[in-house]
Amino acid sequence: EVQLVQSGAEVKKPGESLRISCKGSGYSFTSYWISWVRQMPGKGLEWMGRIDPSDSYTNYSPSFQGHVTISADKSISTAYLQWSSLKASDTAMYYCARGSETGGFDPWGQGTLVTVSS
Amino acid sequence: QSVLTQPPSASGTPGQRVTISCSGSSSNIGSNYVYWYQQLPGTAPKLLIYRNNQRPSGVPDRFSGSKSGTSASLAISGLRSEDEADYYCAAWDDSLSGPFWVFGGGTKLTVL
Repeated sequence: EVQLVQSGAEVKKPGESLRISCKGSGYSFTSYWISWVRQMPGKGLEWMGRIDPSDSYTNYSPSFQGHVTISADKSISTAYLQWSSLKASDTAMYYCARGSETGGFDPWGQGTLVTVSS
Repeated sequence: QSVLTQPPSASGTPGQRVTISCSGSSSNIGSNYVYWYQQLPGTAPKLLIYRNNQRPSGVPDRFSGSKSGTSASLAISGLRSEDEADYYCAAWDDSLSGPFWVFGGGTKLTVL
């Protein structure tokens, strides 16, 4: 079964750094892009960026370029989303999703809730 | 403000047919495929329609998609209570500041 499993919920203070993870299984991890999608409380989906795990080439949405870093470690089939200095406005659910043969995102991870509060 | 425009809400009674629209521009829907995702309450989104009108295996044929020019639509026939969810359209955007994926703001479907 193709699956993406994300790391658990995080509670952080403004200014702190954070890295969340997304582990792929059941398929060749280096054969498909991994995207990250933000969903703020009660709001819609926003594509943040993606990574090609085979060579770590990344592509960001203009809205998120410079605010987050996407990386991957193909040796452990894991992609990451990282912040160097969190803000309260980063409070959201973050999903990873695999780019599929259909061109769409399939499957999705279960989501990681990040709460940033002083 | 989302790049793709969807109505915030839609509703119907069991058995009815409802449609959800998605409007974009020449740099996204006008030149690329449209995808639809279903997000049931408290769960991760799920791919519902790909490449404008194709259904992944396991998606009932009650769900159908279409595209014309810079707009797309999702139709749900024989509405069921379990269809109550948020629906999002998405497309690749080839604008000068891109390329990148864009989503609609989402449509909350209520089954009355």
